[in-house]
Amino acid sequence: DAKTTQPTSMDCAEGRAANLPCNHSTISGNEYVYWYRQIHSQGPQYIIHGLKNNETNEMASLIITEDRKSSTLILPHATLRDTAVYYCIGGSSGSARQLTFGSGTQLTVLP
Amino acid sequence: GAVVSQHPSRVICKSGTSVKIECRSLDFQATTMFWYRQFPKKSLMLMATSNEGSKATYEQGVEKDKFLINHASLTLSTLTVTSAHPEDSSFYICSAPGSGGTDTQYFGPGTRLTVL
Repeated sequence: DAKTTQPTSMDCAEGRAANLPCNHSTISGNEYVYWYRQIHSQGPQYIIHGLKNNETNEMASLIITEDRKSSTLILPHATLRDTAVYYCIGGSSGSARQLTFGSGTQLTVLP
Repeated sequence: GAVVSQHPSRVICKSGTSVKIECRSLDFQATTMFWYRQFPKKSLMLMATSNEGSKATYEQGVEKDKFLINHASLTLSTLTVTSAHPEDSSFYICSAPGSGGTDTQYFGPGTRLTVL
């Protein structure tokens, strides 16, 4: 899996957009960017993934730079329940493979 | 979405005893499941890959004789921590790949093991 770098922690005000960056400068052409999050003492939850086009679903948006060396996960209207560790993972397509988790970003949504 | 369950959610045991943790895919079949371990304030670390009908494959440094994995059916994998010691106390999480072409992993809620 591609090496990814994320800030250790971030704060966001409730109701505001949370923008979580991820650097993956060594990602290869066929590797996707996956985002998962882990709320305290729970199993991780899939959020979104993309290859090179921006993606949006009911949870979040994923913006990938044109050179694919970095991406940003956007939670458009953060709530207190979005407080979690967010993991950016680079890897080849195919769900039947293990995920390599880095340190992630602890997002704290403040009231 | 697909659901993965784990049982028990938490367990406390005495040192030297064995503990079995179950991981079930509730509404889909999984020929492969993954077992992770997470220590406090640390990230998830892959322990092993559970394969239905064949032996599990273990990551480097994980003792296969201590962490027994059995993938008995297409919906059930079990992890048995044998002769548990306090240093085995951790949060154990399983995952299963989604079916039908979805490129996601579904994680169980985790099992908190405390060895006294």
